[in-house]
Amino acid sequence: GAGVSQSPSNKVTEKGKDVELRCDPISGHTALYWYRQSLGQGLEFLIYFQGNSAPDKSGLPSDRFSAERTGGSVSTLTIQRTQQEDSAVYLCASSLGTAGLTWYFGPGTRLTVT
Amino acid sequence: SQQGEEDPQALSIQEGENATMNCSYKTSINNLQWYRQNSGRGLVHLILIRSNEREKHSGRLRVTLDTSKKSSSLLITASRAADTASYFCAPWENAGNMLTFGGGTRLMVKP
Repeated sequence: GAGVSQSPSNKVTEKGKDVELRCDPISGHTALYWYRQSLGQGLEFLIYFQGNSAPDKSGLPSDRFSAERTGGSVSTLTIQRTQQEDSAVYLCASSLGTAGLTWYFGPGTRLTVT
Repeated sequence: SQQGEEDPQALSIQEGENATMNCSYKTSINNLQWYRQNSGRGLVHLILIRSNEREKHSGRLRVTLDTSKKSSSLLITASRAADTASYFCAPWENAGNMLTFGGGTRLMVKP
């Protein structure tokens, strides 16, 4: 596609529910990253995928968070049993590789846990 | 991976004025990138400067890099209200595999 897309753009959920956030990277980009950003804060790294290598999950805040990338393209970030502190904008980015290249960000998903 | 620290945290100027934002980092880098974020959504890549470059221009943007001081600056000339956004620097370590971001500089350009 023309750019990185994310869906949904906004998600409101009740505390305790599970949510799935989707990221479609730019075609051909082997690297994909998930970040989250709380209101007025910087970006917090969550997880990244590079090709067929095992993902770097070092940034996931708890075992309620998981992510997968199917076929080296689309990625889904799943948050189980959501908590209010999970409320944030979740951003996805892709790149041709990890060698210090330009990253392309999606518009983000704004998650609100009530 | 390392995080760039932007300074100032917030900057308010009048349209037409120049805006200068600074970034400091800690270790050796391969390159340093600047990104803009409007309204808390996706970041947009502005410019990349490599470690062997000292200055780079793109339209109204001028970026400098001083590897001896481990610092970079972003200058926006003749600012416009549409430049209002948060600006982030992202240094890329020689052996790094991701970009990390600091808190950014929130720029407000008043019409």
